[in-house]
Amino acid sequence: DTGVSQNPRHKITKRGQNVTFRCDPISEHNRLYWYRQTLGQGPEFLTYFQNEAQLEKSRLLSDRFSAERPKGSFSTLEIQRTEQGDSAMYLCASSRPLGYSGNTIYFGEGSWLTVV
Amino acid sequence: GEDVEQSLFLSVREGDSSVINCTYTDSSSTYLYWYKQEPGAGLQLLTYIFSNMDMKQDQRLTVLLNKKDKHLSLRIADTQTGDSAIYFCAGSISSGSARQLTFGSGTQLTVLP
Repeated sequence: DTGVSQNPRHKITKRGQNVTFRCDPISEHNRLYWYRQTLGQGPEFLTYFQNEAQLEKSRLLSDRFSAERPKGSFSTLEIQRTEQGDSAMYLCASSRPLGYSGNTIYFGEGSWLTVV
Repeated sequence: GEDVEQSLFLSVREGDSSVINCTYTDSSSTYLYWYKQEPGAGLQLLTYIFSNMDMKQDQRLTVLLNKKDKHLSLRIADTQTGDSAIYFCAGSISSGSARQLTFGSGTQLTVLP
């Protein structure tokens, strides 16, 4: 396994700009998750894909946020009209289909967003 | 929904054992996980335990699960300075076909030489 890959690792943007993060999951993992982590807190679930279908979205995912996984492989998370409150680390994770031992979820290194 | 709570800080001497505690509220949590996070990095999966187990050992790590009290602990034997990090406990919520994780706020482990 090459691990979950995320980029960019760091992004500084001005308030009001749009940003996009990319996640490449572990190959053969059909489930992909986005989480957000703010300083001093644990990660919070944002959304989940099974293959290309977005099956669940948290109430944290406002209408300025959109996530896609067009071919069931990599995923993008776009934040439109960024606000300072969006400053956080955005973590991507992936896992195998249900039924595999532990359904362990592997995380990437995260993408840090700073909105100034 | 699920709530997961952890103590915020723990300091130990190098070579001692560390015990990090976690409580959760959802008795239907199927899997309980421990993740490690070093500064500026993502989460590294350390170990997990299935809800029908009481204990799991993996090298220096021992996980104990008390389902009655909804209490989970992670014991690190022979703690090293490289173990200094934030440790997160997480429970899985079975929600349809999703396996979302609910995390605690993390325990900052400091290992003193």
